[in-house]
Amino acid sequence: GQQLNQSPQSMFIQEGEDVSMNCTSSSIFNTWLWYKQDPGEGPVLLIALYKAGELTSNGRLTAQFGITRKDSFLNISASIPSDVGIYFCAVLSYNTDKLIFGTGTRLQVFP
Amino acid sequence: KAGVTQTPRYLIKTRGQQVTLSCSPISGHRSVSWYQQTPGQGLQFLFEYFSETQRNKGNFPGRFSGRQFSNSRSEMNVSTLELGDSALYLCASSRELSGNNSPLHFGNGTRLTVT
Repeated sequence: GQQLNQSPQSMFIQEGEDVSMNCTSSSIFNTWLWYKQDPGEGPVLLIALYKAGELTSNGRLTAQFGITRKDSFLNISASIPSDVGIYFCAVLSYNTDKLIFGTGTRLQVFP
Repeated sequence: KAGVTQTPRYLIKTRGQQVTLSCSPISGHRSVSWYQQTPGQGLQFLFEYFSETQRNKGNFPGRFSGRQFSNSRSEMNVSTLELGDSALYLCASSRELSGNNSPLHFGNGTRLTVT
């Protein structure tokens, strides 16, 4: 079945550092999404990417849709404590029309 | 504007029982999707409802079922509960079917524990 490989699985960083995480697939997708889940809450959409090569920013977050349409990365600049949470990539399966989520990257930020 | 509301927030049941979870979507959203989240399997798609009809279904046994009402509110039911059904059940709503690039907005989930 379709699988998304997300890395790293977890990150422990110091406040102020930049963060980079990525998501890869063996299949091509036309939509890549990044969600963040705070402890005890549901995932919240951060960035949506609809075009190969697209680079989109949302505040300190920047995400890119890989040119091969098989990968995407998310960068967080100058991390702060409230960036703590689990970050999920997700793609829209073109043959089932349902969202497939990656396994998540758990981010811990230390002051 | 109120977000997606899920009730109850926490639930403890015993094996063999059945459970019903409720989801109220964002006003104006016609699609409701359900996901199961566990540490081992991540976020797994259960089903999607649109205009009171199930439009998409994941790979879960028939013990998992759902429905949507005319006001777009949705319920999901799990019968004959098993220990492995312990999970966070997330509901998400979107304006249109999720396949139409309509972003999903998630509720905070119902945490089900089966003992």
